This record gives sequence, C-alpha cells and structure tokens, in this order.
Amino acid sequence: DQQVKQNSPSLSVQEGRISILNCDYTNSMFDYFLWYKKYPAEGPTFLISISSIKDKNEDGRFTVFLNKSAKHLSLHIVPSQPGDSAVYFCAAKTGGGNKLTFGTGTQLKVEL
Amino acid sequence: GAVVSQHPSWVICKSGTSVKIECRSLDFQATTMFWYRQFPKQSLMLMATSNEGSKATYEQGVEKDKFLINHASLTLSTLTVTSAHPEDSSFYICSARDKTGANTGELFFGEGSRLTVL
Repeated sequence: DQQVKQNSPSLSVQEGRISILNCDYTNSMFDYFLWYKKYPAEGPTFLISISSIKDKNEDGRFTVFLNKSAKHLSLHIVPSQPGDSAVYFCAAKTGGGNKLTFGTGTQLKVEL
Repeated sequence: GAVVSQHPSWVICKSGTSVKIECRSLDFQATTMFWYRQFPKQSLMLMATSNEGSKATYEQGVEKDKFLINHASLTLSTLTVTSAHPEDSSFYICSARDKTGANTGELFFGEGSRLTVL
C-alpha cells in the first residue's frame, strides 16, 4: 500500500523556468511533509518541510504547497538551475511517530 | 545541518559472507537512527529503527536474523548483513534525527553504502 505517491517518475525543465514536483498521499494522519533531494550514490538531503496546519512554506527558490482536502502537495523551484537536477523524494510522517514514509521519487532534469 | 557519516560507501563481497556497515552522527547525539534500503528506481524503504541501548524495531518483512542492527552508543549504529546473497545487493542508507527533528520528522542521512554480493 503506497501511502505517498509521486506519479511522475521524471520531469524535464529549462533553466530559469519553474519546476513543479507533485506528491499525493492517502493517510490523513500525516502531520508533517518533507521534501528531500538525492544525487546518485549519495544519501538524501533535506530540502524543505511543511506542517499539516499550513498550506505554504517558502525558503528561497523553494516553495512547498499543501492542499489537505486534495491530499496533495507540490514543490515549486523557481528559477530552476542545472544544479537542481536530482531525484526529489516526497516524505511524510504521522504525529508522534518516528517513521518517514517516502514516495518513489521524481527525477528532475534542468536543461540549459 | 547535522552530519551523518556512513562507511563503507562501496562494498563487494562473496555470497555467504557477512558485511558490516557503520553509521555515525558526527556533531550530535542520536538516540534514534533509522536504516533504509533502496532498490534501483524505487523508494527508500525503512528496514528498522535503531534505539540506543535497546533492541532495534524491524519493519514487517525484514528478517531480524539477517539484518543485525546494533546501536551501542549515541553516535554509532551498525548494520550487519549476515550470510549475504545476491538478492541483498542494494543501496543501504542510514539516517538520524537531532532534537528538532523529533517534532518535524526531519532526518539527516548518511552518504549511503552500495552493497554488491557476487
């Protein structure tokens, strides 16, 4: 049962444009959502998170939007840069829990 | 952010041998560490939660006797893949959480260890 889904395995965007990565979830008990970035043969690095009581969190070029009614969140990167090319994982946790549930990831390629 | 280091990065071993992977939190004390496994083009799957000074909590379907986890100190957890077989070949990643991560769930990940069993 995949509770966190990233339906787009890959996304290609031109440098300078906006990248929008999407994530859907099924568990209404999730209270925090996180985005991680991963380069090949490296561990994921934390990017940005959002609490379930908010609908938007912004950090520099990265903004995460949460639509609880639709059980959907998205990560916006603007402007996109070649160094942003990586796999992006959406993750979620339930209140009081230790465990992060990850999506399958979206490979972002930012082209010159 | 906090630093988590994993060693070795790459390991190749013969079928039937055991391999140990170390995970260290370098600048903070981690009472809880997590071990994940990632197959190509798939998500990170939590294998077990490692608690300092106590037995690890394994996820459903993960063999305790095959994947031995030890968390002897607040900065070190080890994963030993016993009697490794080719199907154990995978990317193993450890993670740890500092105090602020207790609420937000934010984890700091190690660099990962690529295991190839011949």
